Amino acid sequence: KNEVEQSPQNLTAQEGEFITINCSYSVGISALHWLQQHPGGGIVSLFMLSSGKKKHGRLIATINIQEKHSSLHITASHPRDSAVYICAVIPHGGSNYKLTFGKGTLLTVNP
Amino acid sequence: NAGVTQTPKFQVLKTGQSMTLQCAQDMNHNSMYWYRQDPGMGLRLIYYSASEGTTDKGEVPNGYNVSRLNKREFSLRLESAAPSQTSVYFCASSPTSGGAGGETQYFGPGTRLLVL
Repeated sequence: KNEVEQSPQNLTAQEGEFITINCSYSVGISALHWLQQHPGGGIVSLFMLSSGKKKHGRLIATINIQEKHSSLHITASHPRDSAVYICAVIPHGGSNYKLTFGKGTLLTVNP
Repeated sequence: NAGVTQTPKFQVLKTGQSMTLQCAQDMNHNSMYWYRQDPGMGLRLIYYSASEGTTDKGEVPNGYNVSRLNKREFSLRLESAAPSQTSVYFCASSPTSGGAGGETQYFGPGTRLLVL
């Protein structure tokens, strides 16, 4: 069983809709990352968080450590948001550099 | 400032051939990483380097060797390529040594490798 589970696997939305992507993990962690992989393949780090909530533009990431769950929200979605969104965690007790990655959520935003 | 660069972008090999994937970063980062990405699976760490001259095995190191000759460059070598090594390979870097849990990683554009 993968330690990091993302849902949904695929998500299709209309431009302007509010998007939520979920990440659940089964172990204690020291940090969680959200990354974006563009259709061309490039990967960009969006957020790193260990508690609470972070916001950058139309993107909001939240984490609930007790429930072992994080969400990535996109407000007023746009076709340029179409990408794969990847959740990754650093498990407690592991090496600080070893991220465990989810399989990703493919988001398609139609105009 | 180019960030993290990788060469080549695409490569086709025959089984048994060898090749080296090159990675360089110009951000003066200490840590560098090699990952592979396969369909239906998350990114998996192949090797990690905390500083020049040091390397550490990741989750899937078998069949690969790495070299961190200086702070900028981290190469990945396949000595005898196998079809199971068909994948997309990403190099990444982060500022400190061993602090990836709490810091951003910067990724290169990837190398698509096909082993026939």
